[in-house]
Amino acid sequence: TQLLEQSPQFLSIQEGENLTVYCNSSSVFSSLQWYRQEPGEGPVLLVTVVTGGEVKKLKRLTFQFGDARKDSSLHITAAQPGDTGLYLCAGARGSGNTPLVFGKGTRLSVIA
Amino acid sequence: EAGVAQSPRYKIIEKRQSVAFWCNPISGHATLYWYQQILGQGPKLLIQFQNNGVVDDSQLPKDRFSAERLKGVDSTLKIQPAKLEDSAVYLCASSSLAGYYNEQFFGPGTRLTVL
Repeated sequence: TQLLEQSPQFLSIQEGENLTVYCNSSSVFSSLQWYRQEPGEGPVLLVTVVTGGEVKKLKRLTFQFGDARKDSSLHITAAQPGDTGLYLCAGARGSGNTPLVFGKGTRLSVIA
Repeated sequence: EAGVAQSPRYKIIEKRQSVAFWCNPISGHATLYWYQQILGQGPKLLIQFQNNGVVDDSQLPKDRFSAERLKGVDSTLKIQPAKLEDSAVYLCASSSLAGYYNEQFFGPGTRLTVL
């Protein structure tokens, strides 16, 4: 059972376009993290959201945690080729070192 | 600060052979994780250690996979014997007990191909 569903699975866009990717679940999470993974490398943490309705910005990336803490979105403004990669969301059901559950990811390709 | 180190980066073996992967976490990180990432999927947790004790190994195929972290620092993951379906990237991650939301730092992974 995939607890976290990410959509779309694949996205190919032109440089300068905006995009949104989604992470949905029927389960409530105490926190949700977004990672970016480039080919041949491990995932790198981008952000952690913990409060329902929370919005966090990281330069051109905007992350939102749903009010019910069951879903999240990542919006990229004016995408650049350097944004290319696999975007993974991961949820935790508790605090501390509770194991994370990862989605399958959205593979983004930004074409110059 | 040095990141999580893994070796080897790539390994090709034939089915039924054995293989071992090594991980050195970030200095001071008490918690260490091994994940399996099959092509097109997100990482799946195999085992979680806190210091040298196992916290969660519920998804580790124990008939063929084993892992240890004897001194609470480095860890090894072994597969014996390997099957075709074990072809994947094996990621090691570590986190600090001081991190409230389990923010993990990943190594570059070992890409295993089983022929």
